[in-house]
Amino acid sequence: GENVEQHPSTLSVQEGDSAVIKCTYSDSASNYFPWYKQELGKRPQLIIDIRSNVGEKKDQRIAVTLNKTAKHFSLHITETQPEDSAVYFCAAASNFNKFYFGSGTKLNVKP
Amino acid sequence: NAGVMQNPRHLVRRRGQEARLRCSPMKGHSHVYWYRQLPEEGLKFMVYLQKENIIDESGMPKERFSAEFPKEGPSILRIQQVVRGDSAAYFCASSPDRGGNTEAFFGQGTRLTVV
Repeated sequence: GENVEQHPSTLSVQEGDSAVIKCTYSDSASNYFPWYKQELGKRPQLIIDIRSNVGEKKDQRIAVTLNKTAKHFSLHITETQPEDSAVYFCAAASNFNKFYFGSGTKLNVKP
Repeated sequence: NAGVMQNPRHLVRRRGQEARLRCSPMKGHSHVYWYRQLPEEGLKFMVYLQKENIIDESGMPKERFSAEFPKEGPSILRIQQVVRGDSAAYFCASSPDRGGNTEAFFGQGTRLTVV
């Protein structure tokens, strides 16, 4: 089955700096890679996703890159703000809609 | 569309009792997933269901846990004879019945506490 690894487990940045979270996956059949943000005590919410036919996708301050050959994808948050503080999860899924999640990255943006 | 609805939000059970967690997917969604989240940990896949069928239950413990998604009504995750180690947040997600992969929407979760 799929194995998704996520690094780092915790990340602390100064407000305004950039944050990068990286994930690797093992199953070459995976073709959908969503990123979820989970605030304390709340549900995970999708913030951005990318499919395997695209190398990069951007939405305002958030971008995701995908390297299919190396089987890794990354989340980039620029100009971080305190409200970006949360736990971020990457996931990988193949055509059967079964999502495998990484272990999460706790992002702390210091004002 | 009310989103994915889970109930109860909080559930307290004594050791040995049964816990029943309910998930109503978003309207038009026929795929349901259950995940377990231990404190300070990630989301662990448990089971994937489509209406009346279990597609993948590779993440379900072999004993005491079962799941169903009947033709009518919500999906149910049932835990029999609960133990303290079952204490966790249980999240349900749903996705629509379209070809290929689509976004999964999560419910608010049920926080199970076994005392």
